[in-house]
Amino acid sequence: DQQVKQNSPSLSVQEGRISILNCDYTNSMFDYFLWYKKYPAEGPTFLISISSIKDKNEDGRFTVFLNKSAKHLSLHIVPSQPGDSAVYFCAARADNYGQNFVFGPGTRLSVLP
Amino acid sequence: ETGVTQTPRHLVMGMTNKKSLKCEQHLGHNAMYWYKQSAKKPLELMFVYSLEERVENNSVPSRFSPECPNSSHLFLHLHTLQPEDSALYLCASRRTGGPYNEQFFGPGTRLTVL
Repeated sequence: DQQVKQNSPSLSVQEGRISILNCDYTNSMFDYFLWYKKYPAEGPTFLISISSIKDKNEDGRFTVFLNKSAKHLSLHIVPSQPGDSAVYFCAARADNYGQNFVFGPGTRLSVLP
Repeated sequence: ETGVTQTPRHLVMGMTNKKSLKCEQHLGHNAMYWYKQSAKKPLELMFVYSLEERVENNSVPSRFSPECPNSSHLFLHLHTLQPEDSALYLCASRRTGGPYNEQFFGPGTRLTVL
């Protein structure tokens, strides 16, 4: 059973509009969440993270929101740009997981010009 | 360029071959990871090395054998693989000592087993 879920395999958004990528998790012990972006033929690159003691973290065009009671987080990209087209992975870790991170299956974002 | 390199980038091998994947990080990190990514599935953790000791082995078949000779290098030795082992193999590194340190990934090796 997947502990980190990204229920939308793909998302298309018009350039300049907001992209919202969602992630749900089942393990209440997760205390740190990350978003990675992956282009074809490259490895995932870190984008933004949030600790469970916060409900929002912002970095430029990227904002991550965390709703602990719902075990839900979302990544907002505004305004979306064609260069944001990539696969986005949500990941989570817990203290009792040691060095391990649990990844979701990814959402492919296409930003249309 | 993330500071983590992987070679080869592509590998085609037969089921009776023996090959090795190599990962090198130039970031001064002290934890290294092997992940497997199959189509439309989450990244699956295979092995974790922290301070050159294997700290996790996620029920990986013995036909995959990791080696971490020092904190900068990580190998994955492959032998008698199956076609279902075809996937993208990703290496990552991370600085330990804090829970909020992210992983840095290499570009991956695309493996095809015939």
